[in-house]
Amino acid sequence: EPEVTQTPSHQVTQMGQEVILRCVPISNHLYFYWYRQILGQKVEFLVSFYNNEISEKSEIFDDQFSVERPDGSNFTLKIRSTKLEDSAMYFCASSEQGQLYEQYFGPGTRLTVT
Amino acid sequence: QQPVQSPQAVILREGEDAVINCSSSKALYSVHWYRQKHGEAPVFLMILLKGGEQKGHDKISASFNEKKQQSSLYLTASQLSYSGTYFCGTEMPSVSGNQGGKLIFGQGTELSVKP
Repeated sequence: EPEVTQTPSHQVTQMGQEVILRCVPISNHLYFYWYRQILGQKVEFLVSFYNNEISEKSEIFDDQFSVERPDGSNFTLKIRSTKLEDSAMYFCASSEQGQLYEQYFGPGTRLTVT
Repeated sequence: QQPVQSPQAVILREGEDAVINCSSSKALYSVHWYRQKHGEAPVFLMILLKGGEQKGHDKISASFNEKKQQSSLYLTASQLSYSGTYFCGTEMPSVSGNQGGKLIFGQGTELSVKP
């Protein structure tokens, strides 16, 4: 069964450093998402992406964040200058279409900022 | 607006039933239910699109009320494998015409099934 994959599974970085989180969405899906979950809290929407453009973003997704689809399979989230409060689990998800379609989540990348 | 889930936590014995509710102050476009086990990704359970809809598989089912402001997830004859945190993810009708599929999640309901 097709699934969303993410790398790395765990990333430790120092405050102020740049990190890139990588995702491979399900191959025939057109919409891609990043969500984050701070330990013990709910899942929060960051950004949705379609047709090589950001479709929608949340207040959390400020100028330090960016997303890219550098080739036909990868979808990346870059955090330019990490802060302690960026420590969280970051989930990538994809769906065939946008609204009203089920979203399938990857296993997540645990980001620890020290 | 964030949906409100209740209860926050529930403890069951194997074979018992549970209901988890997800409420919104405004009509929703859809409701998505997920289960998340500790340290793992949320796993999609089902999506409800229409007011008055009921759907399910095995012993897990869900409903969406006519006004599309409340959804309930029903777990019957619970099994140990049902343990985890259940989240509802909601979509609001898009004012801008954006088709992006943004999900806003509730705080989650932690379900523990004991032998």
